[in-house]
Parts: sequence; structure tokens; C-alpha cells
Amino acid sequence: AQKITQTQPGMFVQEKEAVTLDCTYDTSDQSYGLFWYKQPSSGEMIFLIYQGSYDEQNATEGRYSLNFQKARKSANLVISASQLGDSAMYFCAMREPTIQGAQKLVFGQGTRLTINP
Amino acid sequence: ETGVTQTPRHLVMGMTNKKSLKCEQHLGHNAMYWYKQSAKKPLELMFVYSLEERVENNSVPSRFSPECPNSSHLFLHLHTLQPEDSALYLCASSQDGQGETQYFGPGTRLLVL
Repeated sequence: AQKITQTQPGMFVQEKEAVTLDCTYDTSDQSYGLFWYKQPSSGEMIFLIYQGSYDEQNATEGRYSLNFQKARKSANLVISASQLGDSAMYFCAMREPTIQGAQKLVFGQGTRLTINP
Repeated sequence: ETGVTQTPRHLVMGMTNKKSLKCEQHLGHNAMYWYKQSAKKPLELMFVYSLEERVENNSVPSRFSPECPNSSHLFLHLHTLQPEDSALYLCASSQDGQGETQYFGPGTRLLVL
């Protein structure tokens, strides 16, 4: 079974600083995908960034980058120049093998990030 | 409307009530999902529909009954729920194929009294 571990229940960061949110995963599959989602207090899960297991480059999307270390089975999210609006829950997720074309996502417990002014 | 929408956003119901949650996606996707998010627990996948056929049911109690009449709409029918069913119910959609991102709706916050 696949498993996602986020070891930081909460993090507090000063505005404009960079922050790294940890994610480790466990899988025996060779092909897999890793996702990060942001969940503000409103509840909606907002897709941030995706990394495929065969991607040689670390994924980047604006201020978000994914530090993918395959040998260590880690996929940490890095947010540069943090903003007050970045305060939210952040979830790491892994795609399980597809079932008849649909995919399954397994989520970690999440990290609550608070940006202080 | 764009993206994934869910109604109602908030719902309070008694244990003997029957209610339905609605999800609609405007992204042209062909797979839809129901997730449950309880306090202090990871998101749990409940149901997966691909091309309007149910392909996964993660041992969800029968008091939850999904319905997918077409690729754009997904319902979750609720009856005789328990207080422990109180949670945020999230709908998501994706396009058939490997590695496609799931896009989520805003969720329905359900309270069962």
C-alpha cells in the first residue's frame, strides 16, 4: 500500500521568507505522480504543483517548486517569498495506479502553514 | 460557472433525514470523485466514477449512495446518517488518462445532529 507522510503538523514563517514543507512517500511502483494542494479555511482544495516519477527536472510553478529526491522518496514543497495569503493547510498526495482510466489519490495528514506579518 | 461547483455549501440534517449533495464540473472531464474529510484525518476517497461508471467504492456504508447521471454531474444521496458522518465532503474531477490532475470543488460542510 502506498503511504504519504507529512511530519510537520504546523509551521510559522515570517512574511517574505521562504518555507519548505516536508513530504515523504512510500511506494513499490516505478511509475507514480506526486501532487501538492493548498486548502484555505474556505475548504476548497487548490492544486499547486505536480511531479512525475520519471521527470528529471524539479517541477516549478511561479513561487512554488518541488524538491524531488527520488532516492530518498521525498517531495518537499518550497514556497519562495511567502505572503500572508499563503496561510492555509497544505497536503501532499500520491497518485495510485489507475483503475479503468480513473486515478486515485492518497493524501498525507497535511501541514498548517501560518505566515506572520 | 467555471471549475467544479458543489451545492449546498453547508448542510445540517437529523439522523432520520434524507438529503443529497450535488457536484457539477465545467471542465469537460470524464472522471469524478467523492472524498470525505473529517477532523484530524487525511482525505478519504469514497467513490470514483469513470465515464459514468462506478469503478471504485472504498467500503463506504450503504447510507451513502452515489449517482452519476452524466459526465458533468455527480450526486451523493444521504440517508439515516450518524453524527460521525459530520465532515467536509469534497467532489473532484479529472480527465481520463495517466497523471491527470484532480480539480476539487469548494466542498459541502455537513453536520449530522
